[in-house]
Formats: sequence, structure tokens, C-alpha cells
Amino acid sequence: DAGITQSPRHKVTETGTPVTLRCHQTENHRYMYWYRQDPGHGLRLIHYSYGVKDTDKGEVSDGYSVSRSKTEDFLLTLESATSSQTSVYFCAISEHTIPVLTFGAGSRLTVL
Amino acid sequence: GENVEQHPSTLSVQEGDSAVIKCTYSDSASNYFPWYKQELGKGPQLIIDIRSNVGEKKDQRIAVTLNKTAKHFSLHITETQPEDSAVYFCAASATFDTGNQFYFGTGTSLTVIP
Repeated sequence: DAGITQSPRHKVTETGTPVTLRCHQTENHRYMYWYRQDPGHGLRLIHYSYGVKDTDKGEVSDGYSVSRSKTEDFLLTLESATSSQTSVYFCAISEHTIPVLTFGAGSRLTVL
Repeated sequence: GENVEQHPSTLSVQEGDSAVIKCTYSDSASNYFPWYKQELGKGPQLIIDIRSNVGEKKDQRIAVTLNKTAKHFSLHITETQPEDSAVYFCAASATFDTGNQFYFGTGTSLTVIP
């Protein structure tokens, strides 16, 4: 997980509250991704970023928003958390010329 | 979009035996196929990858094969050891103007029995 830090690592919250997860990288990689991992579904892409202020939706983007104001930071926001968003969230980074995806350690979110 | 299917979902082998995990993909634009190992409580770690212009790649006890015509690729682990026990994910990736898109299989939980 060198070069990628996710915070918080664990969070318990209540339905309807806003939640922001942060991903910080020190690798100066251009591309950043947010995935969620659920049993039986593998890793599913929520949103990704291809540069500062440049983001796009993934396959499960409903209920999530992202922002990237600096190369090193990519934020994932749940405006009003629901129980279906209980999951483990992984941030990942890659470079265009070397398409290796490197993951962070994950953030476990529980919505009660 | 791309659809990656992975089998089996669980696999148990005796220590020293071989393990094979298979994946299929649907999009012929996919040109990069990584395999990840995920240990409990950690993020997935890349263990081996293969590009579409290569049919096979080996790294010590691990090998990956790719059949572009049939759109399937496989992970082979020989002489398995207890520390190989983990969840393994395959992925297919294609390159677009906005970067590389990765699509993952649903994972295989491998247990190596000592």
C-alpha cells in the first residue's frame, strides 16, 4: 500500500448522514479510482478521475459523488448514506503508460 | 461494457498440488489482464499480468495463459503452499482517451490445506 493512504479506515454511521472518504497518493499518478467490494460482486468501479477536476462515473455511481482538486487527493462523498452502501471501499491509482492498478488498504463503512 | 466471469468461486487444494483459476471476458478491446491476490483485511496486490500480444507468462510458481480468440485467460499456481491461501481476482483492462478501465471478476477463495 506504499504511496496510497485511505482515511478513515473504519467508520460506522447512521442512515441519512453524509460521509466523505479520502484517498491520498504520493506517487503523482494521473489516474485515481474508487471501487467498492461486496461479497459475490468482486470489485465494482464507482467513479474515477483522469486528472485534476476531471472525473467520470463508473458502473455503480448512483448515490456517490467525487472531487479531485489536487493531483494527490481524491474524495468520495456519500451525500446521504444508506444501508446498501455498507461496504469496503478501495482507492486505486494508475498511470496511462503503465496500466498497473495499485490499491490502498481499504475503508470499511457500516451504515446502520 | 466489459463483463468478466471467474470460476471457481472457491477452491481447496492439498499443499503441493496445483491450482487453476479461469476467467472469460467479453470485450475484444481489452488488452491487459492482471491478476490480484487479496489477503484478509488488505487491499488487492498485483501478482502477475499479461498483455494481449503475449500467450503465456511465468513468474516462479505462478503462470498466466491467454487465449484471445476464445477470450479467456487462466492463472496457474504450482506447488501450492499455505501462504498461497487468499482471494484471487482476475481483471480485464482496456485503454480509452480518459485512461485505463479495469473490470474485475467476482473472485476465487483459494484454501491450501497443509
